[in-house]
Amino acid sequence: KQEVTQIPAALSVPEGENLVLNCSFTDSAIYNLQWFRQDPGKGLTSLLLIQSSQREQTSGRLNASLDKSSGRSTLYIAASQPGDSATYLCAARTGTASKLTFGTGTRLQVTL
Amino acid sequence: NAGVTQTPKFQVLKTGQSMTLQCAQDMNHNSMYWYRQDPGMGLRLIYYSASEGTTDKGEVPNGYNVSRLNKREFSLRLESAAPSQTSVYFCASRQGGSYNEQFFGPGTRLTVL
Repeated sequence: KQEVTQIPAALSVPEGENLVLNCSFTDSAIYNLQWFRQDPGKGLTSLLLIQSSQREQTSGRLNASLDKSSGRSTLYIAASQPGDSATYLCAARTGTASKLTFGTGTRLQVTL
Repeated sequence: NAGVTQTPKFQVLKTGQSMTLQCAQDMNHNSMYWYRQDPGMGLRLIYYSASEGTTDKGEVPNGYNVSRLNKREFSLRLESAAPSQTSVYFCASRQGGSYNEQFFGPGTRLTVL
């Protein structure tokens, strides 16, 4: 059974800092890994999807990497802004039904 | 495009009452999903429909039923609500194939007293 872990559960950084969020998974037989952002009381917004054959994917200030062999993915946020404050979730897709298994998220606060 | 829409946004039920959560997507996606999100537990899959006419159980299906009404709509029914079903419910959809991303609705916040 796939298990996804995100550490730390919460992170506070000053504006402008570069930061890395971590995601680990136990079953390396994944199709892809998806990073989401969730604002309080809102739904999930897809940020990046990285396929199992890819090493990294970039969108603006965001860069996601994937290392299947070690069961790890990271989300790098450059030059953080207060608007980046949210909970970030990673989810691994495995299995014939392509179901997503979610981590419990990292709650990020970017302070002025 | 509205994407994935859910109704209602909020609902309060008494124990034993029934209700149906509605979900619709306008992206012509084949697959649709229902999740629940609880503090400290992450999102857990309740039921999913890989294509129109099929439904399958996810990780936590007990106490729920689903109907894939057509390609656009996927509803979740609570026949006899229990306090343990207090949660935020998310519907999601995805185009077929193993390599496509999943899109989420805004959620329904359900409280069972």
